[in-house]
Amino acid sequence: EVQLLESGGGLVQPGGSLRLSCAPSGFTFRSHAMTWVRQAPGKGLEWVAGISGSGDFRNYGDSVKGRFTISRDNSEKMVFLHMNDLRAEDTAIYYCVKDRDIMSTSHHYWGQGTLVTVSS
Amino acid sequence: DIQMTQSPSTLSASVGDRVTITCRATQSFNNYLAWYQQTPGKAPKLLIYEASNLESGVPSRFSGSGSGREFTLTINSLQPDDFATYYCQQYDNYPFTFGQGTKVDI
Repeated sequence: EVQLLESGGGLVQPGGSLRLSCAPSGFTFRSHAMTWVRQAPGKGLEWVAGISGSGDFRNYGDSVKGRFTISRDNSEKMVFLHMNDLRAEDTAIYYCVKDRDIMSTSHHYWGQGTLVTVSS
Repeated sequence: DIQMTQSPSTLSASVGDRVTITCRATQSFNNYLAWYQQTPGKAPKLLIYEASNLESGVPSRFSGSGSGREFTLTINSLQPDDFATYYCQQYDNYPFTFGQGTKVDI
């Protein structure tokens, strides 16, 4: 059974930093791209960042480019989202997502999400 | 960036109805188009990928079609579990982008 367990969310002040973690299980980790998708309270879905199965290819949404970094550790089977210079508009539930293929593609399985709140 | 616009934004329907949701893009792209279903308080669920392929375990009353700039999600014989919000997403060009969502309610 595929499981995606996110952690690291919480309350952070504007301008601060946070690192989200995702611990996937139940599939061959290195064979799948991984993605972070977020959802602000009461709003729609926003694609944040994606990383290929090898970790060689990374892409970002316009609103987070230059501030967020996605990474993975295939030996430890973990995915991370490093978030810097956080803003109020980054407040959202952040979902860790398993893609269907080794390169970024449709989002096959979703975690339950971790809430990030940016506020003073 | 490719912008995705769904119509309608809200749809009122009844059990047994046939429902169609449209997703239009600002430019044409290959059929890397997915549909997701989200119920309140839950994570989204993949329904359709590559415009018309049904994800494993998804009931056959869901179907997807379209190409180029216009795509549709059809739900035949709406069931109580289908009252939810539906999102389209293109994953052909970076950054991948979602539509704003269509809420299907009673």
